[in-house]
Amino acid sequence: EIQMTQSPSSLSASVGDRVTITCRASQSISRYLNWYQQKPGQAPKLLIYAGSTLQSGVPSRFSGSGSGTDFTLTVSSLQPEDFATYYCQQSYSTPLTFGGGTKAEIK
Amino acid sequence: QVQLVQSGAEVKKPGSSVKVSCKASGGTFSNYSISWVRQAPGQGLEWVGGIIPMFGTTNYAQKFQDRVTITADESTSTAYMELSSLRSEDPAVYYCARGSNISPLAPLDYWGQGTLVTVSS
Repeated sequence: EIQMTQSPSSLSASVGDRVTITCRASQSISRYLNWYQQKPGQAPKLLIYAGSTLQSGVPSRFSGSGSGTDFTLTVSSLQPEDFATYYCQQSYSTPLTFGGGTKAEIK
Repeated sequence: QVQLVQSGAEVKKPGSSVKVSCKASGGTFSNYSISWVRQAPGQGLEWVGGIIPMFGTTNYAQKFQDRVTITADESTSTAYMELSSLRSEDPAVYYCARGSNISPLAPLDYWGQGTLVTVSS
């Protein structure tokens, strides 16, 4: 089973800040890495797939990069609606596994 | 548009079973995989397993291998997840999610609203 490790587990930021979340896989997963956003009481929402491809309808302030074992999610200018929890997930092999999550809070 | 609508909240006794349904609309059910993901209160996301409705093939996380059964009915575009021998660590919101293609490894692009399962004697 591939382990996914996210950091930080939480962050405090202001509107307009540039924010970066990292995700590390326990073995190489090529670019089979997806990012999800979850707001309280809601289902997760797919933001980015295949490491860097923006899902339809997702604002361009979100971007993803990386390959192999190390990946990043960047929000170029954090907006009020972006305060949420973010999860990475590998889709290289089953079982699908998720990172522990990063909660983005308002400073 | 694509929608996944899950069955309602369940309260079950320890040792019993729960069966959650997930009805899809707005797309061709057989062309995609379906996964089940759970989230314990205040915790992260955990993949339970998945199915390719077109073939009926399933994949389960080893942790649930002996307790979970995932099925799909193409005629009603509905997927089901049954978890048996419910125990104290099973209370969670259970989500169904559609893969963006038929592969069990596809990104999960549409999610159901979640079904809260409570285990209480």
